[in-house]
Amino acid sequence: DAGITQSPRHKVTETGTPVTLRCHQTENHRYMYWYRQDPGHGLRLIHYSYGVKDTDKGEVSDGYSVSRSKTEDFLLTLESATSSQTSVYFCAIGAAGETQYFGPGTRLLVL
Amino acid sequence: SQQGEEDPQALSIQEGENATMNCSYKTSINNLQWYRQNSGRGLVHLILIRSNEREKHSGRLRVTLDTSKKSSSLLITASRAADTASYFCATDYVSDKLIFGTGTRLQVFP
Repeated sequence: DAGITQSPRHKVTETGTPVTLRCHQTENHRYMYWYRQDPGHGLRLIHYSYGVKDTDKGEVSDGYSVSRSKTEDFLLTLESATSSQTSVYFCAIGAAGETQYFGPGTRLLVL
Repeated sequence: SQQGEEDPQALSIQEGENATMNCSYKTSINNLQWYRQNSGRGLVHLILIRSNEREKHSGRLRVTLDTSKKSSSLLITASRAADTASYFCATDYVSDKLIFGTGTRLQVFP
């Protein structure tokens, strides 16, 4: 298995609070992605990174920001969590034209 | 939405039967991939087929790609209960981004 971990694995928070999810990889891969998965929508790309300090938006980026200060870490921040951001969040590594390896996911509940 | 669309949304079969699921997409692609997701887990890569390929095999998996119809199929032969999972296609017609479909839920009964 590719060395990808996500933390926390589960989180319950309240509307309006900031939340940061962490993705950590040990594969030294250039590309990292954040997806959210919701029933009926499959996986949707939030943001991705193609190198340290290089990031770009995905299809559902509103309300989310990311940072990548080191190759191994990709942080996803919900500046002010809303109930619509209740979801399962997956991190992945690997370029779009290659195999992507996924982390175990973070279940986020926003009350 | 520019997602791929899988068909059927859900499929139930008996062990030993073959399972076929389909994926349609909307624009020209570079590659198409299939992933499996067991309940509550992350996705696992199954197979990648490039736009200049028509068929690819991996064990009990057979993937076809018809770029003229913008569609792909995943065939699992001699299915097992352990194949029970959701299956997703993903395309990379947008540079650096994989776009996933909504998935097919496969249930294989012993």
